[in-house]
Amino acid sequence: AQSVTQLGSHVSVSEGALVLLRCNYSSSVPPYLFWYVQYPNQGLQLLLKYTSAATLVKGINGFEAEFKKSETSFHLTKPSAHMSDAAEYFCAVSDQNQFYFGTGTSLTVIP
Amino acid sequence: SQTIHQWPATLVQPVGSPLSLECTVEGTSNPNLYWYRQAAGRGLQLLFYSVGIGQISSEVPQNLSASRPQDRQFILSSKKLLLSDSGFYLCAWSPGNYNEKLFFGSGTQLSVL
Repeated sequence: AQSVTQLGSHVSVSEGALVLLRCNYSSSVPPYLFWYVQYPNQGLQLLLKYTSAATLVKGINGFEAEFKKSETSFHLTKPSAHMSDAAEYFCAVSDQNQFYFGTGTSLTVIP
Repeated sequence: SQTIHQWPATLVQPVGSPLSLECTVEGTSNPNLYWYRQAAGRGLQLLFYSVGIGQISSEVPQNLSASRPQDRQFILSSKKLLLSDSGFYLCAWSPGNYNEKLFFGSGTQLSVL
């Protein structure tokens, strides 16, 4: 089975600072990889996905992620944090009929 | 375009009472359907998934069951709720035979008292 590890359950950054949320996956074949964002009491919204095209994937709200096969990583970045970025972020991988989620990283943006 | 509807948004139920959460998808056919649970401060736990009418796979043995009576309808049920059933429940769908997309409903916050 696939698995996803998100390093750091809580990350705090200052407004305007770089956002880096880490994700490592375990997969024996090139997977589909995703980042989702969840605001309080809402469902998950897709930020971006990797489907074996370009290794640098651009998503919504200025986020991007880079697929690094040698490191089995898919870290999420944003050059400049905004207050509205405060939310829970989930990394996920899919295979066959299932999606596997990390335990999430709560991002706090400090004014 | 495809949409997913999940209701109710909030539910407060006493211990021992039954449960029925409903999820419907519009604008697509033969979707894969999923129920996830999200406990406070934790990640998403896959409860059930379905690749077709009447086909349910259970990931975690528990007090809950799922049914898919129609192609785009997915129901989560319990005969007797436990305190530990409290949590945020999310329905989701993906295109059949194609796992490059997963779309979520808005969730149901269940409190069992």
